[in-house]
Amino acid sequence: ELKVEQNPLFLSMQEGKNYTIYCNYSTTSDRLYWYRQDPGKSLESLFVLLSNGAVKQEGRLMASLDTKARLSTLHITAAVHDLSATYFCAVDAPTSGTYKYIFGTGTRLKVLA
Amino acid sequence: GAVVSQHPSRVICKSGTSVKIECRSLDFQATTMFWYRQFPKQSLMLMATSNEGSKATYEQGVEKDKFLINHASLTLSTLTVTSAHPEDSSFYICSAAGTGLGEAFFGQGTRLTVV
Repeated sequence: ELKVEQNPLFLSMQEGKNYTIYCNYSTTSDRLYWYRQDPGKSLESLFVLLSNGAVKQEGRLMASLDTKARLSTLHITAAVHDLSATYFCAVDAPTSGTYKYIFGTGTRLKVLA
Repeated sequence: GAVVSQHPSRVICKSGTSVKIECRSLDFQATTMFWYRQFPKQSLMLMATSNEGSKATYEQGVEKDKFLINHASLTLSTLTVTSAHPEDSSFYICSAAGTGLGEAFFGQGTRLTVV
């Protein structure tokens, strides 16, 4: 059974600081996705990582994928209040190519002014 | 990105009644659609996978007679919660995948409250 774990579960940080969210998964997968969710809303796609070593950046967020370590990271640079949200990683289930996602536990981020 | 529309966004129903939620892919053909459930402050849990014209495949622990899924066309899947009870209150989110898109796309979600 594919399991996806994130840490930390909760993160409270000051504006301007850097931090990294980790996503570990238990079985082989070459596809990993990062999403943002605001309270009461659905998912907003942040990054699609489709190969080992993939690195993508958008604004203050950068995501990477190491398929050998079964690890993805979401790095936050110089955090601002608008980044406060819950962040999920998701991995394709072992029947790859079906876009059947197993989600991580989520990281609730609060950026303090 | 491709657009997936989910309707309604919010619904309140009485215990014992049934509720239907629609998930439509607006600008692509969705060969596969997925239904997820999310309880407050928790992650998304996959409920079932539906392929156009086929019976849905349910995840372990999901009652197929309670959560009826129909994927009658390449642009529409429906989830019907039958004989709803307060414990079925949750946020239901669909996603849709099509050929060559590289990822699944999510609907806006439906907040179901059973009173």
